[in-house]
Amino acid sequence: SQQGEEDPQALSIQEGENATMNCSYKTSINNLQWYRQNSGRGLVHLILIRSNEREKHSGRLRVTLDTSKKSSSLLITASRAADTASYFCATDRPLANDYKLSFGAGTTVTVRA
Amino acid sequence: GAGVSQTPSNKVTEKGKYVELRCDPISGHTALYWYRQSLGQGPEFLIYFQGTGAADDSGLPNDRFFAVRPEGSVSTLKIQRTERGDSAMYLCASSLTGGGGNNQPQHFGDGTRLSIL
Repeated sequence: SQQGEEDPQALSIQEGENATMNCSYKTSINNLQWYRQNSGRGLVHLILIRSNEREKHSGRLRVTLDTSKKSSSLLITASRAADTASYFCATDRPLANDYKLSFGAGTTVTVRA
Repeated sequence: GAGVSQTPSNKVTEKGKYVELRCDPISGHTALYWYRQSLGQGPEFLIYFQGTGAADDSGLPNDRFFAVRPEGSVSTLKIQRTERGDSAMYLCASSLTGGGGNNQPQHFGDGTRLSIL
């Protein structure tokens, strides 16, 4: 079973607009990560936010984490056609021997030129 | 340096056949993971190696699935008596170290798309 759930399932925006997607999860986490997947390809790691962090930036990406609500958001600013992809959140749990990532079903983002 | 390499990129075979999927992790990465991804879903964990040993194989769906990493580098996922339900994208990932709380991102290969006819 999957731990995370992304919202919305699909998003279509115009180039230059911002894209926001959300992730909710069920159990306590150690880290939350966001990955991008282009069609037919593997996952590319975007950003990792630790459970004691609230916000993190990387280039045009901004991630927030609210552990009280068990939710995270990914914002892509000034979107480009190349940002068209599926985006997944993934969590791991704060146990010494637990390292497996649990993924949501993803948000499919289409950026129109 | 080179990323995670998976071969073949596509595999089509008949039901009942045996298949092997290969993963070559990033050099120096001790942790290696296999995931399976069905269409429209996120990846689901199958097995984790720390060095040569399978530290957790709890995600393997049944005993037709087996994986090895004999020298602590390349790993092979083996599926016996394949079924149509095994059709999926099989993804391999590696990270510098493993273990809980290590704050290490996992780096993924492009996967092997397995189709069972």
